[in-house]
Amino acid sequence: SYELTQPPSVSVSPGQTARITCSGDALPKQYAYWYQQKPGQAPVLVIYQYIKRPSGIPERFSGSRSGTTVTLTISGVQAEDEADYYCQSAHSSGTRVFGGGTKLTVL
Amino acid sequence: QVTLRESGPALVKPTQTLTLTCTFSGFSLTSREMCVSWIRQPPGKALEWLARVDWDDDIYYSTSLKTRLTISKDTSKNQVVLTMTNMDPVDTATYYCVRDQEVGYFDYWGQGTLVTVSS
Repeated sequence: SYELTQPPSVSVSPGQTARITCSGDALPKQYAYWYQQKPGQAPVLVIYQYIKRPSGIPERFSGSRSGTTVTLTISGVQAEDEADYYCQSAHSSGTRVFGGGTKLTVL
Repeated sequence: QVTLRESGPALVKPTQTLTLTCTFSGFSLTSREMCVSWIRQPPGKALEWLARVDWDDDIYYSTSLKTRLTISKDTSKNQVVLTMTNMDPVDTATYYCVRDQEVGYFDYWGQGTLVTVSS
């Protein structure tokens, strides 16, 4: 089965840069997407097609890909960025898959 | 403005069948590349994709749950229905209805509905 692997947690101080990785064998062939989920809320798309930001998402959120790993980078982290972040991709069979999620803690 | 809203029982008993309805507005499931997916999230755990129905009637299911799931659409009512059979306490989760872009991502989410499986 197709899996995406994320670190369970990442911690950064305010103003620092947070990097959250997601690894999967099919990522060179399938787009990756990132979602932010705050407690008690539905997830919100923050990056699509590896690097694009939906309207309304701050410029400090960016995405990149290298080989089988994609990275969500949050530059100048703010307290409001503390949340769970999920990567997601699509399988060639038509199914969808999520990573296990990463809890970002702003110290 | 795109909105999606889930409806269904908050409590089901083990072995029962769960039926959830997604009522959406702001887009049509007859429009090219539009899809609707169901996603669930057990309390404190990760998101899990369940099923998807496409504008062209294609349907896809999670490999691990496909024997228990049925997804259908009613384009005249702008509704998508998910049924899950043989419910178990491990199926306790918030179930989300989402707009799914055929290329592969979810751009609009419902607020979610918590379903508890308990006798």
